[in-house]
Amino acid sequence: EPEVTQTPSHQVTQMGQEVILRCVPISNHLYFYWYRQILGQKVEFLVSFYNNEISEKSEIFDDQFSVERPDGSNFTLKIRSTKLEDSAMYFCASSEEVGAHEQYFGPGTRLTVT
Amino acid sequence: GESVGLHLPTLSVQEGDNSIINCAYSNSASDYFIWYKQESGKGPQFIIDIRSNMDKRQGQRVTVLLNKTVKHLSLQIAATQPGDSAVYFCAENMGGGNKLTFGTGTQLKVEL
Repeated sequence: EPEVTQTPSHQVTQMGQEVILRCVPISNHLYFYWYRQILGQKVEFLVSFYNNEISEKSEIFDDQFSVERPDGSNFTLKIRSTKLEDSAMYFCASSEEVGAHEQYFGPGTRLTVT
Repeated sequence: GESVGLHLPTLSVQEGDNSIINCAYSNSASDYFIWYKQESGKGPQFIIDIRSNMDKRQGQRVTVLLNKTVKHLSLQIAATQPGDSAVYFCAENMGGGNKLTFGTGTQLKVEL
């Protein structure tokens, strides 16, 4: 069964450093998402991406965040200058079509900012 | 300051019993309501959804009920199994968009 994959599984970085979280969505999916989950809290939407551009973003997704689809398979989330409060699980997801609530989530990358 | 983690509501059931997980939502404009399951160390997994113009939908061993009058959503799991142990999130989606808005979650523990 096709699945979303994410690397790395755990990333430790120092405050102020840049990180790139990587995702490979399901191959025939056209819509891609990033969510985050601070430990013990609810899953929060960050951004959705379609046709090489952001289609929607939340208030969390400020100027320090960016997304990119550098090639036909990868989807990345970059955090330019990490803060302690960026520590969370970051989930990538993908779906086949717009408005799809059946989104397929990857296993997540645990980001720890020290 | 912000708490490090919230205590999730927990539902403990015996294996074989039926489980009912509840969720209150706030946005009357949502077009779809969805249940996701999150097992430890994994990402959320889609279970079932219901459109806002429906009040009941059944899947395999699961039923979702929607009461728009009181803005309440429930997930019923029949014959609960140990593999059902997870955190269950309700989520809302406004049709035409992609954003899922998740609720706080309920921890389901299945006791043997």
